[in-house]
Amino acid sequence: SQQGEEDPQALSIQEGENATMNCSYKTSINNLQWYRQNSGRGLVHLILIRSNEREKHSGRLRVTLDTSKKSSSLLITASRAADTASYFCAPSSYNTDKLIFGTGTRLQVFP
Amino acid sequence: EAGVAQSPRYKIIEKRQSVAFWCNPISGHATLYWYQQILGQGPKLLIQFQNNGVVDDSQLPKDRFSAERLKGVDSTLKIQPAKLEDSAVYLCASSLGWTGGNEQFFGPGTRLTVL
Repeated sequence: SQQGEEDPQALSIQEGENATMNCSYKTSINNLQWYRQNSGRGLVHLILIRSNEREKHSGRLRVTLDTSKKSSSLLITASRAADTASYFCAPSSYNTDKLIFGTGTRLQVFP
Repeated sequence: EAGVAQSPRYKIIEKRQSVAFWCNPISGHATLYWYQQILGQGPKLLIQFQNNGVVDDSQLPKDRFSAERLKGVDSTLKIQPAKLEDSAVYLCASSLGWTGGNEQFFGPGTRLTVL
């Protein structure tokens, strides 16, 4: 199992702008998941991208995966104040469900 | 579909006291996880159960923390005695299986304050 490292640590944008967060990891993965955590709440799964996928969409979310660079990015388009949260990536190795979370990216969207 | 339930939502105790947290996973989910999340950090896995067996407890401070999952459903996490550094949110999560990186569903957490 391995930890994903998110970058930047904090990001502030205006409503309507796009937000991009990056994740790097160290060894081969089976898949990579992104989670969101609003202030004072539990984590919510956003999207899972498998190692043989390069891009995946879900509503206003777009996730890319570059296994050669061992990195992933999460793009939130047309951001809203409700997108204010911490975002965590969690790479998952083969034959395990264990997720090791980094410190996340804290996104602040101003109205 | 009901989500992961946890109780209590908040708990304040003094150091050296004991405390227990309860978790009810999503029905049919074989795997259950307990995480500790200290303010400003990401969740740290404490223990992972597959049905009622322990898969991973390498990060569990076994001198003071214990967890059980009787009958492969509900689970309890206990701290005895508590230390100041145990102040954190304790999250329970469940998933369908334990291989292949399944999506984990998290409960709302229990916020523990140790005075």
